[in-house]
Amino acid sequence: RKEVEQDPGPFNVPEGATVAFNCTYSNSASQSFFWYRQDCRKEPKLLMSVYSSGNEDGRFTAQLNRASQYISLLIRDSKLSDSATYLCVVWDRGNTGKLIFGQGTTLQVKP
Amino acid sequence: SAVISQKPSRDICQRGTSLTIQCQVDSQVTMMFWYRQQPGQSLTLIATANQGSEATYESGFVIDKFPISRPNLTFSTLTVSNMSPEDSSIYLCSVVKTGSYEQYFGPGTRLTVT
Repeated sequence: RKEVEQDPGPFNVPEGATVAFNCTYSNSASQSFFWYRQDCRKEPKLLMSVYSSGNEDGRFTAQLNRASQYISLLIRDSKLSDSATYLCVVWDRGNTGKLIFGQGTTLQVKP
Repeated sequence: SAVISQKPSRDICQRGTSLTIQCQVDSQVTMMFWYRQQPGQSLTLIATANQGSEATYESGFVIDKFPISRPNLTFSTLTVSNMSPEDSSIYLCSVVKTGSYEQYFGPGTRLTVT
């Protein structure tokens, strides 16, 4: 079983749609969680950290369920510019700060 | 965030040669890492660059193939030695800033080995 698993997609949605990405992780000791965005041929960029209480940043909402070892990202009112690959990332601080990356979920927003 | 630069941004190299990639950060950071991203794949950690001591390598990566230096808190180099076409990839430097646990990536070095 992979340490971090994501549905690779692609998710093809129309502008204005709401789309949700899910991610599961295998190490129950994992302590920090992130969503990164990666555009084609670019480096990953931190989109948002994921907190236990859930957090929202504009159209983006991230949630964490530690009991189920599950992380989600919700994007509301999708824009064309949201088209990218979204990487679920887990950090076990006890393991020298190593990030574990999911394979990424590709989103394509169409007009 | 942190401003991270990498040199070169891309290179085409011949089999059997070596390439050294530089990573420079605009502020002191606690941790620096080197990743590889092969076409269509997610990121794989090569090693943690430790200041003033040998890097910590992940399984499948060895110092002879990927020697790393980190002489100070803002600079590191990764060398890809005795290259083969299988080393064609994007190599990314990543840092964790002092006082933070968020990790930021450099723009990457796109390497093609012919």
